[in-house]
Amino acid sequence: DAGVIQSPRHEVTEMGQEVTLRCKPISGHNSLFWYRQTMMRGLELLIYFNNNVPIDDSGMPEDRFSAKMPNASFSTLKIQPSEPRDSAVYFCASSLAMTSEAFFGQGTRLTVV
Amino acid sequence: AQKITQTQPGMFVQEKEAVTLDCTYDTSDPSYGLFWYKQPSSGEMIFLIYQGSYDQQNATEGRYSLNFQKARKSANLVISASQLGDSAMYFCAMISGSARQLTFGSGTQLTVLP
Repeated sequence: DAGVIQSPRHEVTEMGQEVTLRCKPISGHNSLFWYRQTMMRGLELLIYFNNNVPIDDSGMPEDRFSAKMPNASFSTLKIQPSEPRDSAVYFCASSLAMTSEAFFGQGTRLTVV
Repeated sequence: AQKITQTQPGMFVQEKEAVTLDCTYDTSDPSYGLFWYKQPSSGEMIFLIYQGSYDQQNATEGRYSLNFQKARKSANLVISASQLGDSAMYFCAMISGSARQLTFGSGTQLTVLP
């Protein structure tokens, strides 16, 4: 198995632009998590899905952030419009069940200038 | 609510020595899972070890073992025979049956000295 696949690995964009981050979970995993990592705030859970359904999006910073999981093999995290303070590494992770270990993708390093 | 606390921002250990990274947790849920992840400088998150709240034995995975003390709500990671490649950030994480989200501690930066 290729593991959790995220794209792009790096993204540099101008303030105000829309950014879409993509994630392909491990086949057969039914839980998917989006995290944001910064030096100041560490690893923050933004949203997680179980069986493609968003369970808790209370970690999503504001309305500029949205996430979708149209099917079991694909999820997106969208920021519109992006701001410099959104600069961070965004991780996607998937797990077989809510209480089993989560496997992480390589992350997307987002820089908003 | 669940909470994970790692009180050691940085640790140093001599190569081939053992090291313990501390983790305490707080939850009122009787069912929960505890995890340790390693994040090297390259940035990826690598799963190391898992302990369930009902597991009777402490989890072990190669050189990694988890010292689970339920009454004290601690889940310390022990790395035996440290190697230079163990230098990384280590995160303790928790998921509980009610919260159903994987919450991370602030991490401990481990440096293995030659």
